Amino acid sequence: LAKTTQPISMDSYEGQEVNITCSHNNIATNDYITWYQQFPSQGPRFIIQGYKTKVTNEVASLFIPADRKSSTLSLPRVSLSDTAVYYCLVGDRYSGAGSYQLTFGKGTKLSVIP
Amino acid sequence: GAGVSQSPSNKVTEKGKDVELRCDPISGHTALYWYRQSLGQGLEFLIYFQGNSAPDKSGLPSDRFSAERTGGSVSTLTIQRTQQEDSAVYLCASSPSRLRGIPYEQYFGPGTRLTVT
Repeated sequence: LAKTTQPISMDSYEGQEVNITCSHNNIATNDYITWYQQFPSQGPRFIIQGYKTKVTNEVASLFIPADRKSSTLSLPRVSLSDTAVYYCLVGDRYSGAGSYQLTFGKGTKLSVIP
Repeated sequence: GAGVSQSPSNKVTEKGKDVELRCDPISGHTALYWYRQSLGQGLEFLIYFQGNSAPDKSGLPSDRFSAERTGGSVSTLTIQRTQQEDSAVYLCASSPSRLRGIPYEQYFGPGTRLTVT
């Protein structure tokens, strides 16, 4: 099961680009990388998912190097409303034994400063 | 359409009592997940359902915890003889299905905040 490591917290000023990196050194061949956002007193919300290279949607970009041992979530021009905890999820897959392993990292608390 | 709903939103119970937490997934979603989140902590996976069967119960912390899902829809998480360490937010999520190992995004409910006194 791939374990993930993320910075515990980050601060950023409004309007800046924020990059949050997640390390997953023992990621498996079939694993995908998924990022979720969680506001206080709410359940997490899906942001973006990728397998390799780069994925971009209307909210964020996800950069995955060729070795896939890490990934970087990029949030362009953050605003105060982007203050949240961001989770990197790896290993959301089916294993041959029929067991699903779903492990969220401890998350990165992003604080956006005016 | 409606999102994932959970009830109750808050539950205070005395140590030793049993509690039932309910999750109503998005209609048509075949996969359902339960997680636990203690104060200031990340999400701890508890159990996963595909339809009515639970191929992965590995996250249940003890035999006091059980869950069932009926009709491929509503799920109930039961905690027997609650302990103070069971106090946490219990989150439920659902997703459409799982295709060849490609994970679909999970849609989370608002959670049930359980306090054991």
